[in-house]
Amino acid sequence: DSGVTQTPKHLITATGQRVTLRCSPRSGDLSVYWYQQSLDQGLQFLIHYYNGEERAKGNILERFSAQQFPDLHSELNLSSLELGDSALYFCASSVADRGTEAFFGQGTRLTVV
Amino acid sequence: GIQVEQSPPDLILQEGANSTLRCNFSDSVNNLQWFHQNPWGQLINLFYIPSGTKQNGRLSATTVATERYSLLYISSSQTTDSGVYFCAVEFLVFGNEKLTFGTGTRLTIIP
Repeated sequence: DSGVTQTPKHLITATGQRVTLRCSPRSGDLSVYWYQQSLDQGLQFLIHYYNGEERAKGNILERFSAQQFPDLHSELNLSSLELGDSALYFCASSVADRGTEAFFGQGTRLTVV
Repeated sequence: GIQVEQSPPDLILQEGANSTLRCNFSDSVNNLQWFHQNPWGQLINLFYIPSGTKQNGRLSATTVATERYSLLYISSSQTTDSGVYFCAVEFLVFGNEKLTFGTGTRLTIIP
């Protein structure tokens, strides 16, 4: 157990819908990262928050948004879902904003039908 | 541009064999980690190794930062070692505070 908690573990939803994925980082970690892994693909970086502030942004679609709350948990919002959004979404956390070991949650498997 | 390359892409071995996985990266790094993604999709931390050598049981890793590569050694392979091994790098570039993943090595251990 990495100490990073993601909910839900599985999500099935229809095209056009909106979902929210939640991540609780390890105790004491201030950074949260979101990654997307499509079927048989590598891990694509989406966004990084450190202590509530956005630090780095990857190729995140405009239909996707994220935030980190004062209690340091983070949410990834995916809207107007398309079939191609089906993927495994990972959250990771680390102590600092750079240079420290990152630990990954178990992921949320999103299926858009 | 910034790149992380892993080789080989696929590796099939008999149980008990040894293997070496390689990760090449294109620039100076702040962080380098090795992960194992098991068949259930979990990403398991193996090593945090921006430089030097570490060992953990049958696994060991070496990163030569000046030559921009890292190696993961697996000895006496077991079927539970099967899965995809990822190298992930945080480059020492301002505004690049994230891990960039390689494309992985898919390891299959045959009983």
